[in-house]
Amino acid sequence: DVKVTQSSRYLVKRTGEKVFLECVQDMDHENMFWYRQDPGLGLRLIYFSYDVKMKEKGDIPEGYSVSREKKERFSLILESASTNQTSMYLCASRTVDNEKLFFGSGTQLSVL
Amino acid sequence: AQKVTQAQTEISVVEKEDVTLDCVYETRDTTYYLFWYKQPPSGELVFLIRRNSFDEQNEISGRYSWNFQKSTSSFNFTITASQVVDSAVYFCALSEAVGDDKIIFGKGTRLHILP
Repeated sequence: DVKVTQSSRYLVKRTGEKVFLECVQDMDHENMFWYRQDPGLGLRLIYFSYDVKMKEKGDIPEGYSVSREKKERFSLILESASTNQTSMYLCASRTVDNEKLFFGSGTQLSVL
Repeated sequence: AQKVTQAQTEISVVEKEDVTLDCVYETRDTTYYLFWYKQPPSGELVFLIRRNSFDEQNEISGRYSWNFQKSTSSFNFTITASQVVDSAVYFCALSEAVGDDKIIFGKGTRLHILP
């Protein structure tokens, strides 16, 4: 069974903390994505990566960075968490032929 | 710039009714893909369909059907004889077909099927 695994389902952090959200896929996919989902705003793309060590900004990259040192792992980093980063974070992966995205089950992050 | 608009924020219908979810897209590319995803209450998004820009044939899969019309830049989704299990948030998405590129989602339509 193909899988995209996000390390935490729920996470609570304090303002100013550095936060790491981890995502691992076991399908040897080239492309990986980080989205955040907020009520009424749908899914908004934060960053994506089309290969190891490669990254591109999405629509809302401010306050975030990413790391892709290995093909299977794509990390989202909040350098200094703020309350407006409280959200559901979704990781996804796909092959380069633009087939469907496979999504993880999401991480609900609360920043207090 | 790419854009996906799902004008219906929330829809409620009674079980067994038919319901259509609208999706309008904008792109300057001539080659692109359109998608529909379902997000049930459990939260994990599930792929429903992919359609490329050169294939305007309508698609039917059981109670689900999709109507792609390039002339109106629309890719609408119809559920026939709806069931309570169809209750979910449905997202339409758009991606360029060439190269490694981002996938843009609409804001989603929350569908309630009432028993």
